[in-house]
Amino acid sequence: SQKIEQNSEALNIQEGKTATLTCNYTNYSPAYLQWYRQDPGRGPVFLLLIRENEKEKRKERLKVTFDTTLKQSLFHITASQPADSATYLCALPPRSGYSTLTFGKGTMLLVSP
Amino acid sequence: EAGVAQSPRYKIIEKRQSVAFWCNPISGHATLYWYQQILGQGPKLLIQFQNNGVVDDSQLPKDRFSAERLKGVDSTLKIQPAKLEDSAVYLCASSPKYTQYFGPGTRLTVL
Repeated sequence: SQKIEQNSEALNIQEGKTATLTCNYTNYSPAYLQWYRQDPGRGPVFLLLIRENEKEKRKERLKVTFDTTLKQSLFHITASQPADSATYLCALPPRSGYSTLTFGKGTMLLVSP
Repeated sequence: EAGVAQSPRYKIIEKRQSVAFWCNPISGHATLYWYQQILGQGPKLLIQFQNNGVVDDSQLPKDRFSAERLKGVDSTLKIQPAKLEDSAVYLCASSPKYTQYFGPGTRLTVL
């Protein structure tokens, strides 16, 4: 089965800086990878999906990269704001099939003013 | 568009009692999931439905957990009897294809 590794320690950065979160996986390379945001007391919210043939995907201040050689995805938030403080989860589908996801533990991001 | 609805939001029970959670997915979403999320962990899939059929229940503790999705819309997840280690947030999600849309979750505390 797929093992997903995300930094368990919280990432603390100052407002205006770029936050970079890492998602590593150990087994097969999935057809795509997703990133979700989760605020305390709420369910995860979908942010971005990147496919295996895409090197990079952008959405407003968010950028995701997918390196199947390194078995790694990086999630960047540029010009970070205190409102970006949350836990960010990466999720991967199984080797076959497409809708079931395995989630990482998530990394908490804290943006201070 | 209305989101995924779940109830109750909070539930406190004693061990060996039973509990049920309800989920109403986004209209038109054929796939419905139930996840268990323990504090500090990512969501762990318990069961996945495609319409009213079970696609994956490999991680559902079937001796105490059960779930159904009648008429391919609403779903209920039941725990009977509850154990202390069942204390967690139970999330329901629905999906049209790849992206999953989550409800707010039910926080269960087992004393």
